[in-house]
Amino acid sequence: EAGVAQSPRYKIIEKRQSVAFWCNPISGHATLYWYQQILGQGPKLLIQFQNNGVVDDSQLPKDRFSAERLKGVDSTLKIQPAKLEDSAVYLCASSFNRGRAGELFFGEGSRLTVL
Amino acid sequence: DQQVKQNSPSLSVQEGRISILNCDYTNSMFDYFLWYKKYPAEGPTFLISISSIKDKNEDGRFTVFLNKSAKHLSLHIVPSQPGDSAVYFCAASAHSSASKIIFGSGTRLSIRP
Repeated sequence: EAGVAQSPRYKIIEKRQSVAFWCNPISGHATLYWYQQILGQGPKLLIQFQNNGVVDDSQLPKDRFSAERLKGVDSTLKIQPAKLEDSAVYLCASSFNRGRAGELFFGEGSRLTVL
Repeated sequence: DQQVKQNSPSLSVQEGRISILNCDYTNSMFDYFLWYKKYPAEGPTFLISISSIKDKNEDGRFTVFLNKSAKHLSLHIVPSQPGDSAVYFCAASAHSSASKIIFGSGTRLSIRP
């Protein structure tokens, strides 16, 4: 079974530039998550999708971050304009269960460095 | 506001001995707890979980203990093996929050020969 795919693995940009990350979840997983992991901290949930709909985006900085999930499968996370404090690993995860914490399957992450 | 705390950033244990990783939480609404393991340059992988209706869950060499009155859980690994060297994240969720999972900051476990 293929795992969660993410790209790019690494991205270096200057502040005020934009960047986009792509995620393809495990086939059949209805729930998709984007987490931000800053060095030395645990993953922080940015947004959670259930199929096409947003379940939770309370910690997404909506003035600069946006995310969409097309046709309930792939998802894209965009940052525009980027700030220095956005330097982090962006983890995509998917799960089969709905409405209850369960096992999340994470991708390898996309490491963003903002200079 | 750290709702899930792992106060030990790192832990070193001799191979074959027991590793004990600790986690504290502050939100009394949490009713489901998980441990994830992370190797460098990889995403976290699920290790073991426990519901608040239990105080212990065991899976092979891994056992998680939950003390609800103290809002504390621990992960025991016995015997510890070199492949256990990784960062371990404690996580928690509340049923009322539609599966939003809150992670701790992680503990780096090193198993020495």
